[in-house]
Amino acid sequence: EVQLVESGGGLVQPGGSLRLSCAASGFTFSSYEMNWVRQAPGKGLEWVSYISSSGSTIYYADSVKGRFTISRDNAKNSLYLQMNSLRAEDTAVYYCARDFLMIVGPDAFDIWGQGTMVTVSS
Amino acid sequence: DIQMTQSPSSLSASVGDRVTITCQASQDISNYLNWYQQKPGKAPKLLIYDASNLETGVPSRFSGSGSGTDFTFTISSLQPEDIATYYCQQYDTPLTFGGGTKVEIK
Repeated sequence: EVQLVESGGGLVQPGGSLRLSCAASGFTFSSYEMNWVRQAPGKGLEWVSYISSSGSTIYYADSVKGRFTISRDNAKNSLYLQMNSLRAEDTAVYYCARDFLMIVGPDAFDIWGQGTMVTVSS
Repeated sequence: DIQMTQSPSSLSASVGDRVTITCQASQDISNYLNWYQQKPGKAPKLLIYDASNLETGVPSRFSGSGSGTDFTFTISSLQPEDIATYYCQQYDTPLTFGGGTKVEIK
């Protein structure tokens, strides 16, 4: 079964850091571009970051640029999001999502994890 | 950034009704437009990609059309299991989502 499972969410104080992980299974992870997408409580979806299959190309939303770092370990079938200098407005469910159309850059997301909640509060 | 204006923000319809949701881009995005369904407490699910292509396994009552700046998503005959929030999403850089349409049963 094709699956993505996120972990690492939790409660963190403003200015703190957190590292999210996403474990992939059921498909050849190293062949797929990956993304992080978030959803604040009761709000819509916001794309956060993209990484190419090799990790050589990375993009960020302006709202997280300079604070978040996406990475991957293809040997471990894992995707990561290092989040630093966290703010209250980063509070959201964070989803990892597989890129579908196999063109450079984020396009459509066909497989999603169940999400992990990040709460930034003092 | 390209703004996606999705309407209506919510709608109520009867089982069997035809439901239409529109999404307007602030500039030409060709056919770089996808549609997702999100049920409460669940991750989004891709329904339509590149404006009009049905994702594998998605029922044929779902369809999409449009190009350029104006796009339409249609449920030909609303079913109880279609209760969800629907989002359009464009992938001209940077990728953005519409605000969502909550679909309820009347």
